Amino acid sequence: AQTVTQSQPEMSVQEAETVTLSCTYDTSESDYYLFWYKQPPSRQMILVIRQEAYKQQNATENRFSVNFQKAAKSFSLKISDSQLGDAAMYFCAYRSARGRSQGNLIFGKGTKLSVKP
Amino acid sequence: DGGITQSPKYLFRKEGQNVTLSCEQNLNHDAMYWYRQDPGQGLRLIYYSQIVNDFQKGDIAEGYSVSREKKESFPLTVTSAQKNPTAFYLCASSTNRRSGAYNEQFFGPGTRLTVL
Repeated sequence: AQTVTQSQPEMSVQEAETVTLSCTYDTSESDYYLFWYKQPPSRQMILVIRQEAYKQQNATENRFSVNFQKAAKSFSLKISDSQLGDAAMYFCAYRSARGRSQGNLIFGKGTKLSVKP
Repeated sequence: DGGITQSPKYLFRKEGQNVTLSCEQNLNHDAMYWYRQDPGQGLRLIYYSQIVNDFQKGDIAEGYSVSREKKESFPLTVTSAQKNPTAFYLCASSTNRRSGAYNEQFFGPGTRLTVL
Protein backbone atom coordinates (compact mmCIF):
# COMPACT_ATOMS: atom_id res chain seq x y z
CA ALA A 1 0.00 0.00 0.00
CA GLN A 2 1.11 3.53 -0.71
CA THR A 3 2.00 5.90 2.12
CA VAL A 4 2.74 9.61 2.30
CA THR A 5 4.94 11.10 5.00
CA GLN A 6 5.28 14.73 5.99
CA SER A 7 8.02 14.91 8.57
CA GLN A 8 7.49 18.53 9.62
CA PRO A 9 4.38 18.97 11.78
CA GLU A 10 4.98 22.73 11.97
CA MET A 11 7.06 25.26 10.05
CA SER A 12 7.51 28.99 10.34
CA VAL A 13 8.67 31.57 7.79
CA GLN A 14 9.20 35.31 7.78
CA GLU A 15 7.03 37.29 5.41
CA ALA A 16 8.71 37.70 1.97
CA GLU A 17 11.12 34.82 2.69
CA THR A 18 11.19 31.35 1.13
CA VAL A 19 10.17 28.13 2.83
CA THR A 20 10.29 24.49 1.75
CA LEU A 21 7.87 21.85 2.99
CA SER A 22 8.96 18.22 2.78
CA CYS A 23 7.03 15.20 1.58
CA THR A 24 8.14 11.65 0.90
CA TYR A 25 6.07 8.77 -0.32
CA ASP A 26 6.31 5.05 -0.74
CA THR A 27 4.99 3.22 -3.76
CA SER A 28 5.89 0.41 -6.11
CA GLU A 29 3.98 2.02 -8.96
CA SER A 30 5.63 3.91 -11.77
CA ASP A 31 2.65 5.96 -12.89
CA TYR A 32 0.99 8.29 -10.40
CA TYR A 33 0.19 11.88 -9.52
CA LEU A 34 1.29 14.02 -6.61
CA PHE A 35 -0.49 17.03 -5.17
CA TRP A 36 -0.10 19.74 -2.59
CA TYR A 37 -3.30 21.01 -0.97
CA LYS A 38 -3.65 24.05 1.26
CA GLN A 39 -6.19 24.19 4.09
CA PRO A 40 -6.53 27.70 5.59
CA PRO A 41 -8.37 28.35 8.87
CA SER A 42 -11.67 28.26 6.94
CA ARG A 43 -10.84 24.53 6.42
CA GLN A 44 -11.63 24.69 2.71
CA MET A 45 -9.20 22.43 0.85
CA ILE A 46 -7.53 24.22 -2.05
CA LEU A 47 -5.32 22.59 -4.66
CA VAL A 48 -1.97 24.38 -4.82
CA ILE A 49 0.02 22.41 -7.35
CA ARG A 50 0.17 18.99 -9.00
CA GLN A 51 2.79 16.83 -10.67
CA GLU A 52 2.62 13.85 -13.00
CA ALA A 53 5.19 11.20 -12.18
CA TYR A 54 6.26 10.70 -15.79
CA LYS A 55 7.14 14.38 -16.20
CA GLN A 56 10.68 15.21 -15.22
CA GLN A 57 10.08 18.94 -15.24
CA ASN A 58 9.08 20.33 -11.86
CA ALA A 59 5.66 21.97 -11.72
CA THR A 60 5.39 25.69 -10.99
CA GLU A 61 2.38 27.84 -10.12
CA ASN A 62 3.32 31.47 -9.53
CA ARG A 63 5.13 31.58 -6.14
CA PHE A 64 4.72 27.84 -5.60
CA SER A 65 7.06 25.26 -7.07
CA VAL A 66 7.96 21.66 -6.37
CA ASN A 67 11.15 19.66 -6.30
CA PHE A 68 10.14 16.24 -7.57
CA GLN A 69 12.77 13.54 -7.12
CA LYS A 70 11.21 10.34 -8.41
CA ALA A 71 14.07 8.01 -7.54
CA ALA A 72 14.18 9.35 -4.00
CA LYS A 73 10.36 9.42 -3.81
CA SER A 74 10.45 12.99 -2.63
CA PHE A 75 8.04 15.81 -3.48
CA SER A 76 8.83 19.04 -1.63
CA LEU A 77 6.93 22.32 -1.95
CA LYS A 78 8.74 25.63 -2.13
CA ILE A 79 6.88 28.83 -1.37
CA SER A 80 8.70 31.97 -2.48
CA ASP A 81 8.02 35.51 -1.27
CA SER A 82 5.81 34.18 1.52
CA GLN A 83 2.68 36.15 2.29
CA LEU A 84 0.49 36.28 5.38
CA GLY A 85 -2.25 34.55 3.41
CA ASP A 86 -0.01 31.52 2.93
CA ALA A 87 -0.46 30.59 6.58
CA ALA A 88 -2.35 27.29 6.56
CA MET A 89 -2.09 23.54 6.84
CA TYR A 90 -0.43 22.02 3.81
CA PHE A 91 -1.12 18.44 2.79
CA CYS A 92 0.85 16.33 0.38
CA ALA A 93 -1.23 13.71 -1.47
CA TYR A 94 -0.64 10.77 -3.79
CA ARG A 95 -2.94 9.26 -6.39
CA SER A 96 -2.45 6.14 -8.47
CA ALA A 97 -2.88 6.55 -12.20
CA ARG A 98 -4.05 2.98 -12.76
CA GLY A 99 -6.26 0.38 -11.19
CA ARG A 100 -9.56 0.29 -9.38
CA SER A 101 -8.59 2.87 -6.76
CA GLN A 102 -6.93 5.21 -9.22
CA GLY A 103 -9.14 8.11 -8.22
CA ASN A 104 -8.41 7.95 -4.50
CA LEU A 105 -6.08 10.37 -2.76
CA ILE A 106 -3.71 9.27 -0.02
CA PHE A 107 -2.80 12.15 2.26
CA GLY A 108 0.09 12.90 4.55
CA LYS A 109 -0.65 14.20 8.04
CA GLY A 110 0.05 17.77 7.10
CA THR A 111 2.43 20.62 7.94
CA LYS A 112 1.16 23.71 9.71
CA LEU A 113 2.81 26.78 8.21
CA SER A 114 2.95 30.04 10.14
CA VAL A 115 3.99 33.30 8.46
CA LYS A 116 5.50 35.99 10.64
CA PRO A 117 5.03 39.66 9.66
CA ASP B 1 -21.82 28.89 -9.72
CA GLY B 2 -20.55 25.34 -9.90
CA GLY B 3 -19.33 23.71 -6.74
CA ILE B 4 -19.86 21.34 -3.87
CA THR B 5 -22.12 22.07 -0.94
CA GLN B 6 -22.18 20.33 2.39
CA SER B 7 -24.79 20.81 5.04
CA PRO B 8 -25.01 21.52 7.81
CA LYS B 9 -21.74 23.28 8.68
CA TYR B 10 -22.02 22.22 12.32
CA LEU B 11 -23.89 19.18 13.57
CA PHE B 12 -24.47 17.95 17.08
CA ARG B 13 -25.61 14.46 17.85
CA LYS B 14 -26.44 12.57 20.97
CA GLU B 15 -24.58 9.37 21.55
CA GLY B 16 -26.42 6.39 20.06
CA GLN B 17 -28.15 8.34 17.30
CA ASN B 18 -27.61 8.02 13.57
CA VAL B 19 -27.01 11.21 11.63
CA THR B 20 -26.78 11.96 7.89
CA LEU B 21 -24.40 14.46 6.35
CA SER B 22 -25.38 15.97 3.04
CA CYS B 23 -23.11 16.43 0.01
CA GLU B 24 -24.32 17.86 -3.29
CA GLN B 25 -22.35 18.82 -6.39
CA ASN B 26 -23.34 20.53 -9.63
CA LEU B 27 -20.02 19.99 -11.41
CA ASN B 28 -21.35 17.01 -13.37
CA HIS B 29 -18.67 14.84 -11.78
CA ASP B 30 -19.03 11.08 -11.83
CA ALA B 31 -16.89 10.35 -8.79
CA MET B 32 -17.55 11.43 -5.21
CA TYR B 33 -15.68 10.84 -1.98
CA TRP B 34 -16.04 11.18 1.78
CA TYR B 35 -13.07 11.92 4.03
CA ARG B 36 -12.71 12.22 7.75
CA GLN B 37 -10.21 14.66 9.27
CA ASP B 38 -8.94 14.43 12.84
CA PRO B 39 -6.26 16.63 14.42
CA GLY B 40 -2.82 15.38 13.46
CA GLN B 41 -4.23 12.65 11.21
CA GLY B 42 -4.63 14.24 7.83
CA LEU B 43 -7.56 13.11 5.71
CA ARG B 44 -8.69 9.50 5.65
CA LEU B 45 -11.02 8.01 3.06
CA ILE B 46 -14.33 6.66 4.33
CA TYR B 47 -16.24 5.76 1.15
CA TYR B 48 -16.05 6.59 -2.52
CA SER B 49 -18.29 6.23 -5.53
CA GLN B 50 -17.07 6.17 -9.11
CA ILE B 51 -20.55 6.08 -10.64
CA VAL B 52 -24.21 6.26 -9.70
CA ASN B 53 -25.56 3.22 -7.82
CA ASP B 54 -22.07 1.99 -7.01
CA PHE B 55 -19.78 2.74 -4.08
CA GLN B 56 -16.77 1.21 -2.36
CA LYS B 57 -15.38 1.20 1.16
CA GLY B 58 -12.34 3.28 1.88
CA ASP B 59 -9.83 2.84 4.67
CA ILE B 60 -12.14 3.60 7.60
CA ALA B 61 -15.66 2.58 6.52
CA GLU B 62 -16.72 0.85 9.74
CA GLY B 63 -19.67 2.61 11.37
CA TYR B 64 -20.54 4.57 8.23
CA SER B 65 -22.91 4.03 5.31
CA VAL B 66 -23.54 5.84 2.03
CA SER B 67 -25.87 5.84 -0.94
CA ARG B 68 -25.48 7.13 -4.48
CA GLU B 69 -28.91 7.23 -6.06
CA LYS B 70 -28.25 10.43 -7.98
CA LYS B 71 -25.13 11.70 -9.70
CA GLU B 72 -25.31 14.98 -7.79
CA SER B 73 -25.72 13.57 -4.30
CA PHE B 74 -23.63 11.35 -2.00
CA PRO B 75 -24.99 11.44 1.57
CA LEU B 76 -23.01 9.92 4.42
CA THR B 77 -24.72 8.36 7.43
CA VAL B 78 -22.77 8.13 10.66
CA THR B 79 -24.31 5.27 12.58
CA SER B 80 -24.31 4.52 16.28
CA ALA B 81 -21.77 1.79 15.52
CA GLN B 82 -19.09 4.42 14.85
CA LYS B 83 -17.18 4.50 18.13
CA ASN B 84 -15.63 7.94 17.84
CA PRO B 85 -17.62 10.01 15.36
CA THR B 86 -16.60 13.49 16.49
CA ALA B 87 -14.55 14.84 13.58
CA PHE B 88 -14.52 17.12 10.56
CA TYR B 89 -16.02 15.51 7.45
CA LEU B 90 -15.09 16.55 3.94
CA CYS B 91 -16.83 15.60 0.72
CA ALA B 92 -15.09 15.79 -2.65
CA SER B 93 -15.87 15.08 -6.28
CA SER B 94 -13.91 14.58 -9.48
CA THR B 95 -14.23 13.57 -13.08
CA ASN B 96 -13.68 9.91 -13.75
CA ARG B 97 -12.06 9.87 -17.14
CA ARG B 98 -9.75 7.24 -18.57
CA SER B 99 -6.79 6.24 -16.48
CA GLY B 100 -4.01 8.74 -16.63
CA ALA B 101 -6.06 11.94 -16.46
CA TYR B 102 -5.54 14.29 -13.52
CA ASN B 103 -9.14 13.93 -12.31
CA GLU B 104 -8.54 16.65 -9.77
CA GLN B 105 -10.66 16.40 -6.63
CA PHE B 106 -12.69 19.44 -5.62
CA PHE B 107 -13.70 19.71 -1.99
CA GLY B 108 -16.75 21.00 -0.19
CA PRO B 109 -16.53 23.31 2.86
CA GLY B 110 -16.94 20.43 5.33
CA THR B 111 -19.20 19.52 8.24
CA ARG B 112 -18.06 19.52 11.85
CA LEU B 113 -19.81 16.71 13.74
CA THR B 114 -19.78 16.70 17.51
CA VAL B 115 -21.19 13.88 19.58
CA LEU B 116 -22.51 15.04 22.94
